[in-house]
Amino acid sequence: QKEVEQNSGPLSVPEGAIASLNCTYSDRGSQSFFWYRQYSGKSPELIMFIYSNGDKEDGRFTAQLNKASQYVSLLIRDSQPSDSATYLCAVRGGNTPLVFGKGTRLSVIA
Amino acid sequence: GAGVSQSPSNKVTEKGKDVELRCDPISGHTALYWYRQSLGQGLEFLIYFQGNSAPDKSGLPSDRFSAERTGGSVSTLTIQRTQQEDSAVYLCASSLPRGSNEQFFGPGTRLTVL
Repeated sequence: QKEVEQNSGPLSVPEGAIASLNCTYSDRGSQSFFWYRQYSGKSPELIMFIYSNGDKEDGRFTAQLNKASQYVSLLIRDSQPSDSATYLCAVRGGNTPLVFGKGTRLSVIA
Repeated sequence: GAGVSQSPSNKVTEKGKDVELRCDPISGHTALYWYRQSLGQGLEFLIYFQGNSAPDKSGLPSDRFSAERTGGSVSTLTIQRTQQEDSAVYLCASSLPRGSNEQFFGPGTRLTVL
């Protein structure tokens, strides 16, 4: 059973701070890692994907992957109230469908 | 361009009735996925279609659930003899062929079984 684990939160951070969202996965064969953002009552939308160990930056977002530790994280710099949402970690091995975590609810306090 | 569309947006039904949920993927996307999301939960994979290949049905929770995809485009998810535990948001996503990075999600169908 492939599992993706996330802390459900809520994670509360003040506006302007760095939000750190974490995810662990059970399948060592996983090859692709994704972070989706889901606003309440809306569909998930892709923020970032990462394949290789290390960091990948896109604007205020940085994804970090450590395959040895089976750990992937998302950092949000200069957090804004509009970043308040549920963040879903998703993992895929090869051509298999994505396996999603249950998500971490982030609240950015103005 | 048009995104993934789903209909109906909301469906209320009585326990024991059958329901059909429709998904129109993005034109040219050969991969189509159905997920279910219960309140406060993550996305539960149901079924995956890729081109003309046999679908991956490994996520269907029971034989009351079935899905088909006609002409490699529109997909219908059918739930027979609905139960209260089937109440959830049913999300459809599509993507370009294998190895594509991004799945684009539709707005979902909120199913309520009374």
